[in-house]
Amino acid sequence: QVHLEESGGGLVEPGGSLRLSCAASEFTFTNYYMGWIRQAPEKGLEWISFLSSSGKTVYYADSVRGRFTTSRDNAKNSVYLQMNSLRVEDTAIYYCARAPPYSIGYPTGYFDLWGRGTPVTVSS
Amino acid sequence: EVVMTQSPASLSVSPGERAILSCRASQNINNNLAWYQQKPGQAPRLLIYGAATRATGIPVRFSGSGSGTEFTLTIDSLQSEDFAVYYCQPYNDWPPWTFGQGTKVEIK
Repeated sequence: QVHLEESGGGLVEPGGSLRLSCAASEFTFTNYYMGWIRQAPEKGLEWISFLSSSGKTVYYADSVRGRFTTSRDNAKNSVYLQMNSLRVEDTAIYYCARAPPYSIGYPTGYFDLWGRGTPVTVSS
Repeated sequence: EVVMTQSPASLSVSPGERAILSCRASQNINNNLAWYQQKPGQAPRLLIYGAATRATGIPVRFSGSGSGTEFTLTIDSLQSEDFAVYYCQPYNDWPPWTFGQGTKVEIK
């Protein structure tokens, strides 16, 4: 069954770090760009990063650039979000999602498959 | 960066009626717009991409239209499972992308 599953969320103090993982199943992972989107409590969706299928190109939202790093291991069908210097306002559910290809090596930018999300709470 | 404005913020509709949701882009995005549905406690689900193409498995009562800066999601004959929050997302060019703030469709 085509599937994305996030893990690694939890409670962390301000200034701390956390690494989220997202495991992909039952699709050709290397064909897809991958994104991370988060949702603060009772708020809307916020796109935060977008990673090329090779892992060589990544885009970040201004709110996380310089603090968060997205990477992937295509051998493990997984994508990661390393979050450093966490702030209270980073508290959210973090979703990974895939963007289907428009053509070889060129993605669309919408997300057709989402994981269930993993919660991150930044609090002292 | 394209800014998306959704309206209304909330909409009360009786089951069986039609709901019309709007999304306006701050600049021309051609037809590069997606709509998502999110129910409480669940991840978003893709409904529409390319402004008007239903995603796999999406019922025909969901339809999208528009191009350029003005877009509409129409839900015909609302079912109980359609009461949710709906988001639009532009994907013209490369990121950053900003989702619309959402429209909550509630039972009247």
